[in-house]
Amino acid sequence: SAVISQKPSRDICQRGTSLTIQCQVDSQVTMMFWYRQQPGQSLTLIATANQGSEATYESGFVIDKFPISRPNLTFSTLTVSNMSPEDSSIYLCSVGGLTGGREDTEAFFGQGTRLTVV
Amino acid sequence: GENVEQHPSTLSVQEGDSAVIKCTYSDSASNYFPWYKQELGKGPQLIIDIRSNVGEKKDQRIAVTLNKTAKHFSLHITETQPEDSAVYFCAASRSSYKLIFGSGTRLLVRP
Repeated sequence: SAVISQKPSRDICQRGTSLTIQCQVDSQVTMMFWYRQQPGQSLTLIATANQGSEATYESGFVIDKFPISRPNLTFSTLTVSNMSPEDSSIYLCSVGGLTGGREDTEAFFGQGTRLTVV
Repeated sequence: GENVEQHPSTLSVQEGDSAVIKCTYSDSASNYFPWYKQELGKGPQLIIDIRSNVGEKKDQRIAVTLNKTAKHFSLHITETQPEDSAVYFCAASRSSYKLIFGSGTRLLVRP
């Protein structure tokens, strides 16, 4: 399995500001994803973080609002830009495909970042 | 795209009883079906998964069944304990990593 560390674990931010969330994995992984979980809701995929290239966004999510970086096989960041109260959610990093392992390993999740926008 | 429906949204059982949660999916190309348990303030944790070449999988008190023809799969928890209380999510995927989640089931096990 993989150990995933997300920072910060929680934050309260003013509307109009931006927050960058970090995801660090203790081993190299092929795939990294970012999910959003709105209060009391299920998880929705925001984007796939691609190493060395632009992230692949799901319908309803755009790069200007959620810029993502992935400089190497163990680290990614998600920025929530120009925040509004509607962005209050838990943001989760997910990883899969531990390099050197089976291609069909499961997906692991970090503990999440609980964001409140006021 | 894929759509995953999950029922029930809440489930309350007496300790020692069984709990069953059901999911249906729409994309016939989906081949991987994990179940996650999420406790308050924590990220989802994988508890069991099944791939499309298998009809049933069991791990101690937890089992998952898959009916590819009907495109539905179920989670079965036997001899429930209070520590089983959590929110459970099913998911479906064409690969092991990019998951489409169900809406979640809040399970309460009454002592």
